[in-house]
Amino acid sequence: EPEVTQTPSHQVTQMGQEVILRCVPISNHLYFYWYRQILGQKVEFLVSFYNNEISEKSEIFDDQFSVERPDGSNFTLKIRSTKLEDSAMYFCATTPIRVPEGEQFFGPGTRLTVL
Amino acid sequence: AQSVTQLGSHVSVSEGALVLLRCNYSSSVPPYLFWYVQYPNQGLQLLLKYTSAATLVKGINGFEAEFKKSETSFHLTKPSAHMSDAAEYFCAVSATSGTYKYIFGTGTRLKVLA
Repeated sequence: EPEVTQTPSHQVTQMGQEVILRCVPISNHLYFYWYRQILGQKVEFLVSFYNNEISEKSEIFDDQFSVERPDGSNFTLKIRSTKLEDSAMYFCATTPIRVPEGEQFFGPGTRLTVL
Repeated sequence: AQSVTQLGSHVSVSEGALVLLRCNYSSSVPPYLFWYVQYPNQGLQLLLKYTSAATLVKGINGFEAEFKKSETSFHLTKPSAHMSDAAEYFCAVSATSGTYKYIFGTGTRLKVLA
């Protein structure tokens, strides 16, 4: 069964360093999302992406964050200069059709720890 | 604005006992609601969803949920817990505009005791 994959599973970085989190969507899915979950808090929406453009972003998604699809497969989330408060689990989700009742397919997440 | 509240960040049940995980929502329009499960080292997997077709929704692995508009609830139940049900469970509502992002609750970690 097709699944969304994410790499790395764990990333430890120093404050101020850049990190890139990678997601490989299911092959026929065109709509992508990033969410994050800070320990003990809700899963929060960060950004949605379609056709090489950001479709919607949250207040969390400031200038330190960027997303791109550098090739036909990977979908990446970059944090330019990490802060302690960026420590969280980051989930990628994809869907073949964007409707309110539509299922999003999630990857296993990347746990980011900023020291 | 829409929101979801999950009461109980940790729930423990004995094997064979009823599982009840609570989810309440806030929405000014009819909501689309989802329950996802996350097993260790895996992605979130859809258990079931409510799309207004029926108030009692049956999902995978013997789970079901009932949409109660009067109580603004969408609680997840399973008659008899199995050890393999131990996981984290997330309730979510999809936004009604924009890109239909999900708005999640804080999650409930279910522990099943032998």
